[in-house]
Amino acid sequence: DQQVKQNSPSLSVQEGRISILNCDYTNSMFDYFLWYKKYPAEGPTFLISISSIKDKNEDGRFTVFLNKSAKHLSLHIVPSQPGDSAVYFCAASGIIQGAQKLVFGQGTRLTINP
Amino acid sequence: NAGVTQTPKFQVLKTGQSMTLQCAQDMNHEYMSWYRQDPGMGLRLIHYSVGAGITDQGEVPNGYNVSRSTTEDFPLRLLSAAPSQTSVYFCASSRDSDYGYTFGSGTRLTVV
Repeated sequence: DQQVKQNSPSLSVQEGRISILNCDYTNSMFDYFLWYKKYPAEGPTFLISISSIKDKNEDGRFTVFLNKSAKHLSLHIVPSQPGDSAVYFCAASGIIQGAQKLVFGQGTRLTINP
Repeated sequence: NAGVTQTPKFQVLKTGQSMTLQCAQDMNHEYMSWYRQDPGMGLRLIHYSVGAGITDQGEVPNGYNVSRSTTEDFPLRLLSAAPSQTSVYFCASSRDSDYGYTFGSGTRLTVV
């Protein structure tokens, strides 16, 4: 049972354009959402997060949008740069079965083309 | 540099062998977790700890043991390695449950 889903395994975007990565979740107990970025042979690095009491959080070129009613979040990168090419993981945190859990999606490989 | 240190970076085991993956953090974080990453599966939680002496099972705990005797260290033990445990393992730590986790660089394990 995949509680956090990233339905696009890969995404290719032209440099300078907007990259939009999507994530859906099923468990309404999740109350905090995070995006991680991962380069090959490295561990994931924290990128941006959003609490369930907000619908938008912005940090420089990165903006995360949360639609609680649709159980959907997205990460916007504007403008996209070649260094943004990486695998992006969406994660959701909440009290699941009595314990705080952090659940990850499958990841989306973003490629920025020059 | 402060952060999460995992050793070894690479390991090949024969089926049935045991080993311990080491994880240490120097940020005084209470929360520590072990994840495995497999193609198309994302990161799946194996075991986690909310403080020294406290551990609990995650999504895929079978075949793995953990202990947390100190705040700094959170080793993962494979009792009898199986080919299904071939994966990349990541250790992560956080100061609390809602803060972004800091990940180690991973251990690539192959079981033959």
